[in-house]
Amino acid sequence: KNEVEQSPQNLTAQEGEFITINCSYSVGISALHWLQQHPGGGIVSLFMLSSGKKKHGRLIATINIQEKHSSLHITASHPRDSAVYICAVSIYNTDKLIFGTGTRLQVFP
Amino acid sequence: DGGITQSPKYLFRKEGQNVTLSCEQNLNHDAMYWYRQDPGQGLRLIYYSQIVNDFQKGDIAEGYSVSREKKESFPLTVTSAQKNPTAFYLCASSLPGQLRYEQYFGPGTRLTVT
Repeated sequence: KNEVEQSPQNLTAQEGEFITINCSYSVGISALHWLQQHPGGGIVSLFMLSSGKKKHGRLIATINIQEKHSSLHITASHPRDSAVYICAVSIYNTDKLIFGTGTRLQVFP
Repeated sequence: DGGITQSPKYLFRKEGQNVTLSCEQNLNHDAMYWYRQDPGQGLRLIYYSQIVNDFQKGDIAEGYSVSREKKESFPLTVTSAQKNPTAFYLCASSLPGQLRYEQYFGPGTRLTVT
């Protein structure tokens, strides 16, 4: 079993839909990251959080430390949101990141 | 503009040849990392360096080597000993201390070995 599991693996949506991507982890962490990888391959950090909720534009990330679960929400989705979204965790008291396998999102007009 | 550059974006090599992937950052970050990404798998850590002239093996270091002679540069050599070198390689960097958990990624190099 992977230490970081994401669901779903693939997701398609119509423009304007509300999207949720889930991440569960099984190790002690210092922080959880949501990353975005565009088709070209470069990765951008969207959020780093260790508790509660963060919002940036149409993106919202939440984390429940007790349940070891995080969600990434996209409101009013747009075709430019099409990308792979990766959940990663910073292992407690180390500099190491463990990555999920990613969720491929396609948003159609 | 501050950031991480990796070159080239695409690299093709024949089996048995060593190849060096470049990673440069002008963010003044102390720590640098190399990851490998394969289809259907999460990124895996190859090597990391927390300070100049020091580096540690990650989870899949076999067949790879690195150097860290300058703060800005962390080149990765894929040697002929690496059995499956074809992959997407990502370099990252981070600040020290409490900010070290956030890593900044380069655009990646896609290596194809035939």
